[in-house]
Amino acid sequence: DSGVTQTPKHLITATGQRVTLRCSPRSGDLSVYWYQQSLDQGLQFLIQYYNGEERAKGNILERFSAQQFPDLHSELNLSSLELGDSALYFCASSPSGGSYGYTFGSGTRLTVV
Amino acid sequence: TQLLEQSPQFLSIQEGENLTVYCNSSSVFSSLQWYRQEPGEGPVLLVTVVTGGEVKKLKRLTFQFGDARKDSSLHITAAQPGDTGLYLCAGVIGTYKYIFGTGTRLKVLA
Repeated sequence: DSGVTQTPKHLITATGQRVTLRCSPRSGDLSVYWYQQSLDQGLQFLIQYYNGEERAKGNILERFSAQQFPDLHSELNLSSLELGDSALYFCASSPSGGSYGYTFGSGTRLTVV
Repeated sequence: TQLLEQSPQFLSIQEGENLTVYCNSSSVFSSLQWYRQEPGEGPVLLVTVVTGGEVKKLKRLTFQFGDARKDSSLHITAAQPGDTGLYLCAGVIGTYKYIFGTGTRLKVLA
């Protein structure tokens, strides 16, 4: 157990639907990061939050949004889902920046049918 | 665009062999990490290197950070099937910019 909790582990949904992925960071970590991993594209950075505020944005689609709550857990919302959104979605956390690495959760596998 | 290229992309070797994985960039990193990821799981941090020329050992794994802090290598001695996985390097530029490498998929055959 890495200390980063992601739910659900698996999600199957239809095109056009909306889903919410949840992440609880490791105790004491203030930064939360979201990554998407497809078979052919490696780890793609989506977005980072630090202590409730957005800090950095990567290749996140407009159909996707995220937030970090006062208790530091984070949610990633994916809407108008397309087949190409099927992927593993990882949350990671760190104390502040990533200078000494991240702790990753075990991911949410999203399948859009 | 900052890139972190890893080579080789794929590697299949017999148990007991040695191997080296390379991570190269034109960017200077303030620190660099190596992760191992198993299928269906999140990457697990193996090591962080910070100083140019730094060498760190983790059992049969040896990590080196280049003198100019633009590249790194991971050497595995006497590979075992349990070393199978996706190896990822990740570099930090400044304080907040974090780049993952393209990955090396290693398979060690018994």
